[in-house]
Amino acid sequence: KQEVTQIPAALSVPEGENLVLNCSFTDSAIYNLQWFRQDPGKGLTSLLLIQSSQREQTSGRLNASLDKSSGRSTLYIAASQPGDSATYLCAVRPSGNTPLVFGKGTRLSVIA
Amino acid sequence: DTGVSQDPRHKITKRGQNVTFRCDPISEHNRLYWYRQTLGQGPEFLTYFQNEAQLEKSRLLSDRFSAERPKGSFSTLEIQRTEQGDSAMYLCASSLVNFGGSTLEKLFFGSGTQLSVL
Repeated sequence: KQEVTQIPAALSVPEGENLVLNCSFTDSAIYNLQWFRQDPGKGLTSLLLIQSSQREQTSGRLNASLDKSSGRSTLYIAASQPGDSATYLCAVRPSGNTPLVFGKGTRLSVIA
Repeated sequence: DTGVSQDPRHKITKRGQNVTFRCDPISEHNRLYWYRQTLGQGPEFLTYFQNEAQLEKSRLLSDRFSAERPKGSFSTLEIQRTEQGDSAMYLCASSLVNFGGSTLEKLFFGSGTQLSVL
């Protein structure tokens, strides 16, 4: 059974810092991996999707990497801003017709 | 706005009552998912539809839970005889996939329905 772990559970950084959020998964045979952002009391917004054949994806100040063999993904946020404060969730799709399996998320606070 | 819509945003009910939630997916999307999320946890999969067919149900989905997607458009999730443990955010998501699935399937989530069972 696929399990997804995110470390740290919470992170507080000053504005302007670069930071890395970590995600690990137990079964390296994945279909794709997706990073989401969730604001308090709201739904999830998709940030980046990495196919199993890819090693990274970039969108603006965000960069996500994937190392299937080690069962890890990282989300890199450059030049953090207070508006980046949210919970970031990592989710893995085990196969094409199975649902996403989520981690518990990392709660990020960027202090002005 | 053509995103995923969920109604109601909040629902407070007494234990033992039945509740029904509605989800309207993005119009051209053929897959629709229901997830449940409690405080401090990631979303947990409940069930999903491809068009009108319910393809998978989680073991979390007890007999008190039922979901439908008539005509492959909107979906409803009903909880009968609610219990305090049902209190959670119920999230709906939709996606568009080609036949056989796609590594590019990206889920779009609604804002959720927050259920409180007293």
